[in-house]
Amino acid sequence: GQQLNQSPQSMFIQEGEDVSMNCTSSSIFNTWLWYKQEPGEGPVLLIALYKAGELTSNGRLTAQFGITRKDSFLNISASIPSDVGIYFCAGIMYSGGGADGLTFGKGTHLIIQP
Amino acid sequence: EAQVTQNPRYLITVTGKKLTVTCSQNMNHEYMSWYRQDPGLGLRQIYYSMNVEVTDKGDVPEGYKVSRKEKRNFPLILESPSPNQTSLYFCASSFGQGGNEQFFGPGTRLTVL
Repeated sequence: GQQLNQSPQSMFIQEGEDVSMNCTSSSIFNTWLWYKQEPGEGPVLLIALYKAGELTSNGRLTAQFGITRKDSFLNISASIPSDVGIYFCAGIMYSGGGADGLTFGKGTHLIIQP
Repeated sequence: EAQVTQNPRYLITVTGKKLTVTCSQNMNHEYMSWYRQDPGLGLRQIYYSMNVEVTDKGDVPEGYKVSRKEKRNFPLILESPSPNQTSLYFCASSFGQGGNEQFFGPGTRLTVL
């Protein structure tokens, strides 16, 4: 299947700092999604992006769908302890037969030091 | 409450003993999918289903079976589990044919001894 390269793999930051992570691919995606997973739970959708160039916010989170449709980034401003978790990007590609499901990045593990 | 449920949440078993992990969603979603999550490998799709009686292989289907006899249920079957199937498993569902955001269940942690 398609590959998504997500970076960084992990981040150790101080509370209050801004966070930035991104996903890149050699393939074009039609939809980009960002999920957060907390320990012992399944991923929860944070932001969905449907158009190239789209910039969408959800509280302190902002995500963008890259112009080339091959990348996306997620920013978290003024991090707080409850932001701790693993953040996954996911892309959806549409072929002639319809959508090919989700392809996930390997995740960015966010750790916040008070 | 709209949700995806999985059972059991935790399971320890032995090699070769058939097991089934159930998945159910109450959102009338057409699309359902199973993933496994392993350290350093992220989420990998095992099988998916676009509707009742329609299933297809994902990226890592070997050693697994699924069925979709009803719209709300999508069980994952391990006929003869092996230790390399020790993993964290997630069921997910969405509207449409896989082109929309998926909602995930809470996960099933499986250990095969």
